[in-house]
Amino acid sequence: DAGVIQSPRHEVTEMGQEVTLRCKPISGHDYLFWYRQTMMRGLELLIYFNNNVPIDDSGMPEDRFSAKMPNASFSTLKIQPSEPRDSAVYFCASSGDPSEQYFGPGTRLTVT
Amino acid sequence: QKEVEQNSGPLSVPEGAIASLNCTYSDRGSQSFFWYRQYSGKSPELIMFIYSNGDKEDGRFTAQLNKASQYVSLLIRDSQPSDSATYLCAVTLGAGGYNKLIFGAGTRLAVHP
Repeated sequence: DAGVIQSPRHEVTEMGQEVTLRCKPISGHDYLFWYRQTMMRGLELLIYFNNNVPIDDSGMPEDRFSAKMPNASFSTLKIQPSEPRDSAVYFCASSGDPSEQYFGPGTRLTVT
Repeated sequence: QKEVEQNSGPLSVPEGAIASLNCTYSDRGSQSFFWYRQYSGKSPELIMFIYSNGDKEDGRFTAQLNKASQYVSLLIRDSQPSDSATYLCAVTLGAGGYNKLIFGAGTRLAVHP
């Protein structure tokens, strides 16, 4: 199994630009999670899906953030407009069992 | 009070020694407990999970859970330099929160030759 796939691995953008992060979960997993990791705040859950349906988005910091899962093999996290404080590593994780989550390699986002 | 607390370290142990990593949590309804290892610049990697009170062993790793004390620990026997990483404790939130993991800030472990 290829594991969770994320793209791009690195993204550098200017403040105000739209950023789209992509994730392909492990085949057969029906839970997908988006996390953000910073030195100051650690690893934070932003949103998770079950069978492509958003279940809990209470961690999404503000309306500039949105996430979609149009099918079982693809999800996006979009930030529009981006701000320097959004700079972080964004991880996607998937799970067949709700609790045993497997992480992708992450996308390192830098907003200048 | 943070929901999941860990000593940030660094915890420094000599090669071959036992490393003991500790974690406390605030939600008495938590049901599932996990240890992730994260190397610098890499993603978290699941290494152990435990659901019941007591010990669970997997190779050189032993997870220990005490729900009454709201305490979970990870022991690494015969520590190797390759074990040097940050270890994240994660706990499910609430009795019905099987899907939502809350992570501690992590303990940095350094194993020196």
